[in-house]
Amino acid sequence: GENVEQHPSTLSVQEGDSAVIKCTYSDSASNYFPWYKQELGKGPQLIIDIRSNVGEKKDQRIAVTLNKTAKHFSLHITETQPEDSAVYFCAASMASYDKVIFGPGTSLSVIP
Amino acid sequence: GAVVSQHPSRVICKSGTSVKIECRSLDFQATTMFWYRQFPKQSLMLMATSNEGSKATYEQGVEKDKFLINHASLTLSTLTVTSAHPEDSSFYICSAPTSGGYKTYEQYFGPGTRLTVT
Repeated sequence: GENVEQHPSTLSVQEGDSAVIKCTYSDSASNYFPWYKQELGKGPQLIIDIRSNVGEKKDQRIAVTLNKTAKHFSLHITETQPEDSAVYFCAASMASYDKVIFGPGTSLSVIP
Repeated sequence: GAVVSQHPSRVICKSGTSVKIECRSLDFQATTMFWYRQFPKQSLMLMATSNEGSKATYEQGVEKDKFLINHASLTLSTLTVTSAHPEDSSFYICSAPTSGGYKTYEQYFGPGTRLTVT
């Protein structure tokens, strides 16, 4: 089955700097790659996603890139703010309506 | 936007008892729902796929007789933890993809249920 790896496990950045989280997946049949933000005690919240027919997608301060050949995808957050502090999960799925396999997570701390 | 709710948000039960967790899609019908479990400081692990009107599909290593799933309507799936033990204490999260009437399929997660077994 699908296996998603994620690095780093913890990341600390100064406010205003950029944060980058990288993931790899194992199943070449995966076509949908969502990213979730989870705050303490809450369910995961979708922040951005990318489908396999697209190499890059941007939404304001957040961007994702996908290299399907290498089975790599990354999350880039620019101009980080303290409220960006949370645990971020990358994930892979066959489709947006299918079960989601999560990476182990990255705990991001943005220092004011 | 689409909303998925869970009830209760947190529950404490005694070892050996059973507890039911509800997952509802509030403004859309969900023929499929997914149940995940998350231990402290860990990732979400898929437990099972809940299918409306048919049996759930469990992931390898998940005991189907211990985690009973019922998807009796297009807006409600329930997870019952039977004969709960302290090691079942966890954060249980459901998700539901939209279907029919939406231009694109999106998947929405519930807020989670914190189960503590004493």
